[in-house]
Amino acid sequence: AQTVTQSQPEMSVQEAETVTLSCTYDTSESDYYLFWYKQPPSRQMILVIRQEAYKQQNATENRFSVNFQKAAKSFSLKISDSQLGDAAMYFCAYRRKGDKLIFGTGTRLQVFP
Amino acid sequence: NAGVTQTPKFQVLKTGQSMTLQCAQDMNHEYMSWYRQDPGMGLRLIHYSVGAGITDQGEVPNGYNVSRSTTEDFPLRLLSAAPSQTSVYFCASTLLGIQYFGAGTRLSVL
Repeated sequence: AQTVTQSQPEMSVQEAETVTLSCTYDTSESDYYLFWYKQPPSRQMILVIRQEAYKQQNATENRFSVNFQKAAKSFSLKISDSQLGDAAMYFCAYRRKGDKLIFGTGTRLQVFP
Repeated sequence: NAGVTQTPKFQVLKTGQSMTLQCAQDMNHEYMSWYRQDPGMGLRLIHYSVGAGITDQGEVPNGYNVSRSTTEDFPLRLLSAAPSQTSVYFCASTLLGIQYFGAGTRLSVL
């Protein structure tokens, strides 16, 4: 069965600094998708970034980028120039093509001024 | 464009009561799903549907029923609420592998 592990329950970063959130997953598939979702206090789940496993290039969305290591089954999220609005729960998720989304347990990110 | 709409936003039930959580999407997505979110456990899949008339169980289906009579609507029914069903519930619809979430329903069962 596929699993997603986020080993950092909490992380903190100072405003304008860079922080990396870790995620590992277990699968025997070769074709799948990986996601990072942000959940602010409003509770809304917001898609931050998406990576397709067949693409070797790491996905980037403005200040958010990933380090996708397929062989190591690792999918970390880097947030550059952190802002107060980045404070939230961050969930890593895995989806096999045509199948269900599986979430990790989340990392709570605090941003200090 | 409303996206995925969940009602109600908050609900308090007594043990044994039944209720339906509503979910509607206006994006004509075939794939819809229900999750529950509990502290320290992330989101877990309850039920999902790949289209009108087709539903299937997820990871934690016990105590919940679903139906999908139209593409737009995917209600979640609690037949006899239990305190263990106290949680935040999210509905989502999916297109091209991307899930679009509703704002969630916070349910407390006393």
